[in-house]
Amino acid sequence: DVKVTQSSRYLVKRTGEKVFLECVQDMDHENMFWYRQDPGLGLRLIYFSYDVKMKEKGDIPEGYSVSREKKERFSLILESASTNQTSMYLCASSVPGTYLLGGYGYTFGSGTRLTVV
Amino acid sequence: AQKVTQVQTEISVVEKEDVTLDCVYETRDTTYYLFWYKQPPSGELVFLIRRNSFDEQNEISGRYSWNFQKSTSSFNFTITASQVVDSAVYFCALSVGTSGSRLTFGEGTQLTVNP
Repeated sequence: DVKVTQSSRYLVKRTGEKVFLECVQDMDHENMFWYRQDPGLGLRLIYFSYDVKMKEKGDIPEGYSVSREKKERFSLILESASTNQTSMYLCASSVPGTYLLGGYGYTFGSGTRLTVV
Repeated sequence: AQKVTQVQTEISVVEKEDVTLDCVYETRDTTYYLFWYKQPPSGELVFLIRRNSFDEQNEISGRYSWNFQKSTSSFNFTITASQVVDSAVYFCALSVGTSGSRLTFGEGTQLTVNP
């Protein structure tokens, strides 16, 4: 069964800590994404990557960075955690496609609920 | 820039009622994909349907049906004879150009089906 695995389901960190959220996919997907989910705001894209060592800013990259050293792993880094980064974080992966090729969907991880105190 | 709007924040119905979740999207691209996802209390996003911009046929899958209208930029989702297990947050999403690229999500609609 193919999947996207996020290393932690729940995390509690202190303000100012450096936090790593890990995501691993076993589907050999090129694209990987980090989203943040907040009530009433839906899912907002933080960063994404189309290939190893590539990264692109999403809509809300401030306060975050990412690392993709291997194709299967995409890490989200909170350089100095703050209380306004308390949220649910979702990782996803996908394979690029075209209309003629039918395109492809996305596979999401189960999420990491991060609380910064 | 792309935008997806789900105007209904919360909907509450009684079991066996039909319910429609609205989704309106904005994009200038002519090639795009629309999605619906379900997020049960467990938190994982469950894929329900994908539609591309060249296929306006409506689709039915069991109690679920989707109405795609390019003229009004809408992609609405109807659940017929709702059940308690349908209670979840539902998200509409859009990707443009090549499928598999970044998704833009709506705000989500919390559906509660009461027994």
